[in-house]
Amino acid sequence: DAKTTQPPSMDCAEGRAANLPCNHSTISGNEYVYWYRQIHSQGPQYIIHGLKNNETNEMASLIITEDRKSSTLILPHATLRDTAVYYCIVRVGGSQGNLIFGKGTKLSVKP
Amino acid sequence: NAGVTQTPKFQVLKTGQSMTLQCAQDMNHEYMSWYRQDPGMGLRLIHYSVGAGITDQGEVPNGYNVSRSTTEDFPLRLLSAAPSQTSVYFCASRSGTGVTGNTIYFGEGSWLTVV
Repeated sequence: DAKTTQPPSMDCAEGRAANLPCNHSTISGNEYVYWYRQIHSQGPQYIIHGLKNNETNEMASLIITEDRKSSTLILPHATLRDTAVYYCIVRVGGSQGNLIFGKGTKLSVKP
Repeated sequence: NAGVTQTPKFQVLKTGQSMTLQCAQDMNHEYMSWYRQDPGMGLRLIHYSVGAGITDQGEVPNGYNVSRSTTEDFPLRLLSAAPSQTSVYFCASRSGTGVTGNTIYFGEGSWLTVV
């Protein structure tokens, strides 16, 4: 799996958009970008994934650059409940191996 | 839809005791795994299974044992508890196939303290 780099922490004001960056400059053509988050004391939760095109679901949007070397997870209207550690993982779709969770980005949403 | 269910949620053990953390999933997922998470650290894989009757070691398997007699259940056994095993344990499952096979579902965690 390609290596990812995320900032260790970020702050966001409640109600504003939270934009979480992830660098994956060694990503290969068949690797997807997955995002998970872990709210304090809970198991990690799947958010979204994408290959090339931008993706949106009820939780977030994923913007992948044209060269696929970086991506941004967007929480359009952050709430206090979005305070969590966010993990960006790059992986071959359907790979049988184990997901490796790095240290992620600690997002703090402030009132 | 229950998803992944772990029991117990909290447990205190004495050093040397043994116990089993239970994990069950109702999504017919082939792939199940156990992680531990220590304070301020990421998830570390203990053991995993790609299907009934098949198990394998992860990153930190020592002191733990697993079995997979059914698709639904994947218990984690602590053979002789040590204070170093104080941690939060998460069970997880995924379908294991296709792009969505990397969508992992986690249980709510089991907090274990060994004194």
